[in-house]
Amino acid sequence: SQELEQSPQSLIVQEGKNLTINCTSSKTLYGLYWYKQKYGEGLIFLMMLQKGGEEKSHEKITAKLDEKKQQSSLHITASQPSHAGIYLCGADGGGSNYKLTFGKGTLLTVNP
Amino acid sequence: GAGVSQSPSNKVTEKGKDVELRCDPISGHTALYWYRQSLGQGLEFLIYFQGNSAPDKSGLPSDRFSAERTGGSVSTLTIQRTQQEDSAVYLCASSLTGLSNQPQHFGDGTRLSIL
Repeated sequence: SQELEQSPQSLIVQEGKNLTINCTSSKTLYGLYWYKQKYGEGLIFLMMLQKGGEEKSHEKITAKLDEKKQQSSLHITASQPSHAGIYLCGADGGGSNYKLTFGKGTLLTVNP
Repeated sequence: GAGVSQSPSNKVTEKGKDVELRCDPISGHTALYWYRQSLGQGLEFLIYFQGNSAPDKSGLPSDRFSAERTGGSVSTLTIQRTQQEDSAVYLCASSLTGLSNQPQHFGDGTRLSIL
């Protein structure tokens, strides 16, 4: 079965700093999904990556997929307190393999 | 509705009781998923519905767990004879189709506590 390892497990940054979260898969990545979760709330969909080399951005968040390395990275530029939360990567098995396997998450704290 | 709706948001019950958790997916989404999130295990897949059928129940941890979906919409996850290890957040998600290129959208979950 596929396993996703996220690093770091937790991260504390000062407001305005850039940061990167990594997600490494034990198997080939097909669909890779990034979600954000705040305590007591559900997962908020951020981005979906499907092709090697694909890069997507939304506001100050950029995600990339390195198919060869079976890895995805999430980069936040000029972090703000609103970026704080748990970031989760999820992967599907491709085709009609719909169920997502998730990493353990990265807890991000942004100090004002 | 605009998003996935789950109820109740919190449920506290005594060991041995049955509980029902409800999920109302995004309108028009044919695929519905249940996941469980606990401290030790992270997020785990439980069951997948395509329409009213459940082609994949492989994640249900025991026969005390069952789920159904009616009218291609609302789904209910039932846990019988609850145990303390069932305490977790139960998350429901839906997607437009069951294909892998469709993002899953999650509800806020039901936080289940077994005393």
